[in-house]
Amino acid sequence: KQEVTQIPAALSVPEGENLVLNCSFTDSAIYNLQWFRQDPGKGLTSLLLIQSSQREQTSGRLNASLDKSSGRSTLYIAASQPGDSATYLCAVKGNTPLVFGKGTRLSVIA
Amino acid sequence: EAQVTQNPRYLITVTGKKLTVTCSQNMNHEYMSWYRQDPGLGLRQIYYSMNVEVTDKGDVPEGYKVSRKEKRNFPLILESPSPNQTSLYFCASSSTGINEKLFFGSGTQLSVL
Repeated sequence: KQEVTQIPAALSVPEGENLVLNCSFTDSAIYNLQWFRQDPGKGLTSLLLIQSSQREQTSGRLNASLDKSSGRSTLYIAASQPGDSATYLCAVKGNTPLVFGKGTRLSVIA
Repeated sequence: EAQVTQNPRYLITVTGKKLTVTCSQNMNHEYMSWYRQDPGLGLRQIYYSMNVEVTDKGDVPEGYKVSRKEKRNFPLILESPSPNQTSLYFCASSSTGINEKLFFGSGTQLSVL
C-alpha cells in the first residue's frame, strides 16, 4: 500500500529565504505527483503536477522535482514571502486514487 | 468561474440526526470524491465516483453514503451521525485522464454533538 511522508511537519523561515519541502513515497509505480497548497480552514489548490515521465515542473517561484526511482519529490520555493505561509501537501497517483501526505506547515516571517 | 461548491460551510448537529452535505461542480468532470481531514491523520478518502451511477468506497467509508445521479452533483449523506464524524470535509473533482489536476471545494466543518 502506497505511503506518502512529508518531513518536516512544520517549518519557519525568514522572508526572502529559498526553501525546499520534501515528499517521499514507498511505491514508485506512480502516474504523477501533485503539490497542493492549503490555507487555514480552506480547500486545497493544486500548484504543480509532475507526470511520471517528467523530472520537474516550474510555475513562477515554485519548482517541483520528481525522482521516481528513489521515491522522492521536492518543492523548491524561491525568495519566500509571508504570503507563502500555508500548509503544502503532496499527493501521488498510482493505480488507486490519490494518496496524500500529511503536509508541511510553512511560516514565512516578515 | 470553474469551481467546486460545497454547502453548508459550517454545520453543527446532534448524534443521530440525518444530514446531507451537497457538492456541485461546473467543469463537467467525470471524477468526484469526498475526503475528511483530521489533525494528525491528514486527508482520507471516504467515497469516490468515476462517473454517473458509479461509486466506490475509499479508505474510510463506514457511516457514510453517497449518490451520483447527475454528473455535476455528488452529495455526502450521514444517516446517523456520531461524534467521531466531527471533521473537516472536502469534495473534489477532476477529469478522468491520468494526469488531470484535482479541484477542491472550500470545505464543510461538521461538528456532531
